[in-house]
Parts: sequence; structure tokens; C-alpha cells
Amino acid sequence: DTEVTQTPKHLVMGMTNKKSLKCEQHMGHRAMYWYKQKAKKPPELMFVYSYEKLSINESVPSRFSPECPNSSLLNLHLHALQPEDSALYLCASSQGPGTGRMNTEAFFGQGTRLTVV
Amino acid sequence: AQKVTQAQTEISVVEKEDVTLDCVYETRDTTYYLFWYKQPPSGELVFLIRRNSFDEQNEISGRYSWNFQKSTSSFNFTITASQVVDSAVYFCALLTGANNLFFGTGTRLTVIP
Repeated sequence: DTEVTQTPKHLVMGMTNKKSLKCEQHMGHRAMYWYKQKAKKPPELMFVYSYEKLSINESVPSRFSPECPNSSLLNLHLHALQPEDSALYLCASSQGPGTGRMNTEAFFGQGTRLTVV
Repeated sequence: AQKVTQAQTEISVVEKEDVTLDCVYETRDTTYYLFWYKQPPSGELVFLIRRNSFDEQNEISGRYSWNFQKSTSSFNFTITASQVVDSAVYFCALLTGANNLFFGTGTRLTVIP
């Protein structure tokens, strides 16, 4: 299984709603990522979890709250978002060079296309 | 500092032409990985290739080939005999020891029939 599964694929939410994005992988990867991608732009790193601990937070507003319940799951909780937060949210996982393995790949999910109205 | 530069924003070629997409990276890490991803209009990121910093062998996979040169910090991607289905945005990315995965700004390739 070399898949990263993201749900839902599409999400429309109001500015007062609370919703969560989910990401799952069963490749034994110990690094998981959330990226935000606006149209015609590269993915921008939001958060990195390494061994289930938050290792990088790229100054993301607190209305985005990541959670890593276990090594296979990564959530992104959304609350009080703004219309400018509408984007494609991508989850990825990798083994990471830091684990000592010589080979690693970063796999991406298909993304959740989020629209904030 | 880590950085990935894709100087070509957009490229258009006629079908069956060869095309090379450039990628230059910066990192102080001695162990790192370089990737190329394809993003078709449907939005998903499709993994194409990974190279680790200790392996400078060039690689060919069908119509795709990659040229990794540490001396110039470049990891260029060539598509031979391009096809319309190759039209997409292509991203070069760098994975460092801190588990940071950095993307270049992407190159939009349009293959004209």
C-alpha cells in the first residue's frame, strides 16, 4: 500500500463552522506534512509531524490546528476560517532522511479542495 | 537555508519535441533527497522520481530522464518526444534532514498538438 488517503475530497464551509480534514497512511512513514496550495502556486508547507510530534509550524494562524493521534493519522482542524483560506490542502508522508534509511519517497494524497464561504 | 529554484515559469513545445525543465537547489545538509512531481489539471501531485544526495547517476525511465549534478546543485528533468498528456505543472522538491520538503515554484508545461 503506497497510498496517502485524504478525506473529504471537497469541503465547503462557512466562516463560523468547525470542520476537520483527515489524512491516513499505512506505509510506516514517521514524517507527515500538511501543505496548502493556492491556484497556480506551489504547495506551501504548513506543519510537519515527526514521530507524532509537531516539529515544524510555519507560522500558521491558530484557526488551523493540526493533530497526530497516531503514526498513521494526521488531522487538520479548521475553525473560523476566512475566504482567503480557500485552497487545496495536501497531506504527505515520508520516511525521512533522519531515520537512517538510504531511500525515501514523499507521497502525497489527492488533496482536499476547501472552499470557505 | 534551503531553497529550490525553477527559473522557467512556463514552457510551450510542439508535440514530439524534447523539453528540459531546470531545477537548482540550495542546502547545507549533506544528506538530502530531490524529487520531481507532476501536477495535472486534476490537482493531485504525482511522484515521478527521487534522488538521494549520494547517488549522482543519471536515470532514464521511458521518455523521462534526469540529470543530477551536485557540482552545480542542479537536478534537471528531460522529456523526450513530448506528448499532449505531458501537459502539467512540474515541481522540483528538496527533502532535508529536518524532514522539511521544499518545493520550487513549478514550471507549467504545455505540449501543443
